[in-house]
Amino acid sequence: SYDLTQPLSVSVALGQTARVSCGGNNIGSKSVHWYQQRPGQAPVLVIYGDNNRPSGIPERFSGSNSGNTATLTISRAQVGDEADYYCQMWDSSTVLFGGGTKLIVL
Amino acid sequence: EVQLVESGGGLIQPGGSLRISCAASGFTFSTYEMNWVRQAPGKGLEWVSYISDSGRSIYYADSVKGRFTISRDNAKNSLFLQMNSLRAEDTALYYCARARGGYSDNWGQGTLVTVSS
Repeated sequence: SYDLTQPLSVSVALGQTARVSCGGNNIGSKSVHWYQQRPGQAPVLVIYGDNNRPSGIPERFSGSNSGNTATLTISRAQVGDEADYYCQMWDSSTVLFGGGTKLIVL
Repeated sequence: EVQLVESGGGLIQPGGSLRISCAASGFTFSTYEMNWVRQAPGKGLEWVSYISDSGRSIYYADSVKGRFTISRDNAKNSLFLQMNSLRAEDTALYYCARARGGYSDNWGQGTLVTVSS
């Protein structure tokens, strides 16, 4: 089965750039989506189709996908960005989620 | 405004059955695919099941295949998940999510299912 691998946590200084990775075999050939989940809340889509932002998501959120790694980039990190982030893809009639990454803003 | 409201969760004994529902509003329900996604306490997101807009295509995670059944009533803007032979490991917050292009663009707030004796 296909696995999506994310780091358990990523730390970033306030105002700096955070990068959350999602690893998978030849993931660059797939379409990857990202969700933000703040504590006690439902997930929110922040990036779809590798690098597209839904309406209402700040331009500070961007995505890329190449080779064996997809990356969610959060520029000028804010305290409100502290959350769990999940990558997701569709493969062989199955929805796959990464294990999630906790973003810590210092 | 898109709204998805789950209901029907509760405490159920192992081996029991439960049917949870999701009421949709604010969009043309019959033109969207739907997913059920669950989250065990303190754990990550786990996809459970998918249904196409017409209901003709249905997929399940291996962990629930043969025990859970997804369905929808487009006339009533409703999504359902029939859960049989429930196990302790099915304990989770169950979200319904509107789907398109392989991703879920709107999520409900979830309904909690607890399987315990």
